[in-house]
Amino acid sequence: QKEVEQNSGPLSVPEGAIASLNCTYSDRGSQSFFWYRQYSGKSPELIMFIYSNGDKEDGRFTAQLNKASQYVSLLIRDSQPSDSATYLCAADSGGSNYKLTFGKGTLLTVNP
Amino acid sequence: DADVTQTPRNRITKTGKRIMLECSQTKGHDRMYWYRQDPGLGLRLIYYSFDVKDINKGEISDGYSVSRQAQAKFSLSLESAIPNQTALYFCATGLETSENEQFFGPGTRLTVL
Repeated sequence: QKEVEQNSGPLSVPEGAIASLNCTYSDRGSQSFFWYRQYSGKSPELIMFIYSNGDKEDGRFTAQLNKASQYVSLLIRDSQPSDSATYLCAADSGGSNYKLTFGKGTLLTVNP
Repeated sequence: DADVTQTPRNRITKTGKRIMLECSQTKGHDRMYWYRQDPGLGLRLIYYSFDVKDINKGEISDGYSVSRQAQAKFSLSLESAIPNQTALYFCATGLETSENEQFFGPGTRLTVL
């Protein structure tokens, strides 16, 4: 059973701080990893994806991948109250399967 | 207009009724997916399709069926709804040449009484 694990939270940070969200995955065949943001009652929105070891930056967001440790993280710099949401980590099945396995999500609250 | 649309957005029905949830997309994507989301259980894959003639079961397909009427349309049916199918249902699309990212529709909230 392929699994993606996340701390459910809630993770609470003050406005302006760095929020760090973590994720581990079980399938060593996974090649691409995704972070989605989901506001309450809304659909998941893709924030970033990463497939190479190391860091990938996009604005205030940085995704980090360590395939040896099977670990993915998302850093949100200068956190804003509007970043308050559930963040879903997902891993693909590798090869040509084109399926994603999602973690259960981490609830982030940014306090003004 | 939204790239991925789902109808209805909300539905309340009774046990034993047949229900169809519809998904349409204007993104031109080949791949389409149906997920359900339950509190504490995350997103779980019900069915997925890579083209009109390619339909595949996901991890929780029992009690569901699908139809890919066209590249742009993918419908999910509950033949005889039961209360534990109460959930938020999402359709998603993906492009064959992409890095496997998926794009979600707005969701359908289904309640089975």
